[in-house]
Amino acid sequence: AQSVTQPDIHITVSEGASLELRCNYSYGATPYLFWYVQSPGQGLQLLLKYFSGDTLVQGIKGFEAEFKRSQSSFNLRKPSVHWSDAAEYFCAVGARNYGQNFVFGPGTRLSVLP
Amino acid sequence: DTAVSQTPKYLVTQMGNDKSIKCEQNLGHDTMYWYKQDSKKFLKIMFSYNNKELIINETVPNRFSPKSPDKAHLNLHINSLELGDSAVYFCASSQNVGANTEAFFGQGTRLTVV
Repeated sequence: AQSVTQPDIHITVSEGASLELRCNYSYGATPYLFWYVQSPGQGLQLLLKYFSGDTLVQGIKGFEAEFKRSQSSFNLRKPSVHWSDAAEYFCAVGARNYGQNFVFGPGTRLSVLP
Repeated sequence: DTAVSQTPKYLVTQMGNDKSIKCEQNLGHDTMYWYKQDSKKFLKIMFSYNNKELIINETVPNRFSPKSPDKAHLNLHINSLELGDSAVYFCASSQNVGANTEAFFGQGTRLTVV
């Protein structure tokens, strides 16, 4: 069965610093991978996705992620964090069984210091 | 225009009551989902419908009954509410059941059972 781990429960960075959020997945085939962001009291918004092709994908709000098959990882990065980036970040894998179940990681909470 | 909308946003009710949460999507998608987010922010699939047909029914108490009158709507009815049902419930939709589609989420319904 597919699974997603996000090793960091909570990360704090200073505004303007770089950011990397880690994501590891377990899946038997080439995965479809996603990063979602959830601001307080809000729903989930898609930041970026990887389906195939270039392993470095660009998303909204200046985020990017790199798919590394050898490490089963899909880490999210941003070169310079803004205070408005404080939120919960979820990595997810799209399962290929009929019904398209998205399996989510436990989330990483990002705090940004002024 | 809101793509996936849920009502109500907040729901406070007593144990033993029956309540419903409504969800509508205007994206023309074929597939809709209900997810439960617990107090630790963990997201877990509950149900998935494709063109009004139930295709995923995870281990959920049968007090929870989804209903899809048409492919744009997926409602969730909960009987005999229990304290443990307190959570945020998210509705989502995707274009189809293929793995290479992204999910669009509603704003969530925060259910509190007292």
